[in-house]
Amino acid sequence: KAGVTQTPRYLIKTRGQQVTLSCSPISGHRSVSWYQQTPGQGLQFLFEYFSETQRNKGNFPGRFSGRQFSNSRSEMNVSTLELGDSALYLCASSLGDTTSSPLHFGNGTRLTVT
Amino acid sequence: QQQVKQSPQSLIVQKGGISIINCAYENTAFDYFPWYQQFPGKGPALLIAIRPDVSEKKEGRFTISFNKSAKQFSLHIMDSQPGDSATYFCAAILTGNQFYFGTGTSLTVIP
Repeated sequence: KAGVTQTPRYLIKTRGQQVTLSCSPISGHRSVSWYQQTPGQGLQFLFEYFSETQRNKGNFPGRFSGRQFSNSRSEMNVSTLELGDSALYLCASSLGDTTSSPLHFGNGTRLTVT
Repeated sequence: QQQVKQSPQSLIVQKGGISIINCAYENTAFDYFPWYQQFPGKGPALLIAIRPDVSEKKEGRFTISFNKSAKQFSLHIMDSQPGDSATYFCAAILTGNQFYFGTGTSLTVIP
């Protein structure tokens, strides 16, 4: 069974630009969530989509948005990039039906904003 | 505001020793507590998890101890091996699949 795939692996952008990250979940998983990982801050929750609907949202500004398609694939968009947006962005999929449904993470997209 | 507080930030243990990582939470509505292990260049992977009605869960060399009254839980790694060197995250989950992660502990096991 294929794991969670995130593309691209690395991105370098300039301040003010926008970026779109992509995530393909494990087949059969209906929940996709996104996390920002930075040193010292751990994993900060961005949002979660379940069956194309945003079910949960973290405390990030509106520049961070996402969506989920009917095949459960998800995209995350960050507009008007800031230097502080440099981070590893992780996507995770799960069945999403109970709290004990484990998250399966991709290997992340490393975003560098210059 | 960090919903789950994790300590220590980093830990160095000799091979064969016991590694202990602690987490604390405030929200009594959390109903599931997993631990994730992350190797460099990889995403985190589920290691072991516990429900709040259980005080201890053991899987191989990994044990979670849970103290509901103190709102604390910890991960114990017995007979630590160099291959256990990784970053460990505790997490707490609310109904509705809301995950809250700790800030992570970087474990180094010295041969």
